[in-house]
Amino acid sequence: SQQGEEDPQALSIQEGENATMNCSYKTSINNLQWYRQNSGRGLVHLILIRSNEREKHSGRLRVTLDTSKKSSSLLITASRAADTASYFCATDASGGNNRLAFGKGNQVVVIP
Amino acid sequence: DGGITQSPKYLFRKEGQNVTLSCEQNLNHDAMYWYRQDPGQGLRLIYYSQIVNDFQKGDIAEGYSVSREKKESFPLTVTSAQKNPTAFYLCASRDRQGPSEQYFGPGTRLTVT
Repeated sequence: SQQGEEDPQALSIQEGENATMNCSYKTSINNLQWYRQNSGRGLVHLILIRSNEREKHSGRLRVTLDTSKKSSSLLITASRAADTASYFCATDASGGNNRLAFGKGNQVVVIP
Repeated sequence: DGGITQSPKYLFRKEGQNVTLSCEQNLNHDAMYWYRQDPGQGLRLIYYSQIVNDFQKGDIAEGYSVSREKKESFPLTVTSAQKNPTAFYLCASRDRQGPSEQYFGPGTRLTVT
């Protein structure tokens, strides 16, 4: 199965700064999703971008998708201490098997 | 209050024992999933079920078994054949008809000694 891969793996920023994470994947997709995981908890869905979309916004989140490069980025603007978490991208591959392939995650620490 | 629950939050077992992890959802979702999470390795799919009485192996099904007798429930059994069972286990569900976002439970941390 395909797998998203995030880059960089760990990011430490000051409160108020922007945080950017990247994700690459290998095969054709229906959509790409980003999830957040607080330490020791389940994942929470943040945003979904379809393969025919190039950019999507949700609050302080901005996601881009470049299907020609098979990559996506997640930007968190004006970060807060509460944004400290791990962030995962997940791809929903073309083919309709209803599976998601998750990347290894980006750990983001926002310093107050 | 709709959601997906997993119990218990922490589970300790001796090597050689089978153990069953519970996952229940009241979201009326058809599809349910079990993932394993190890440090630095993201989520790996163990088993998934798209409808009642049907399930498929994921990428790391060896040493695990599941059942899907009810729409709301998708228990995972970690058998003694699983060589390295200590991990964080996450259950998820999704609406097959809607967007493919998955809803996750809080997870069960299994420690086998």
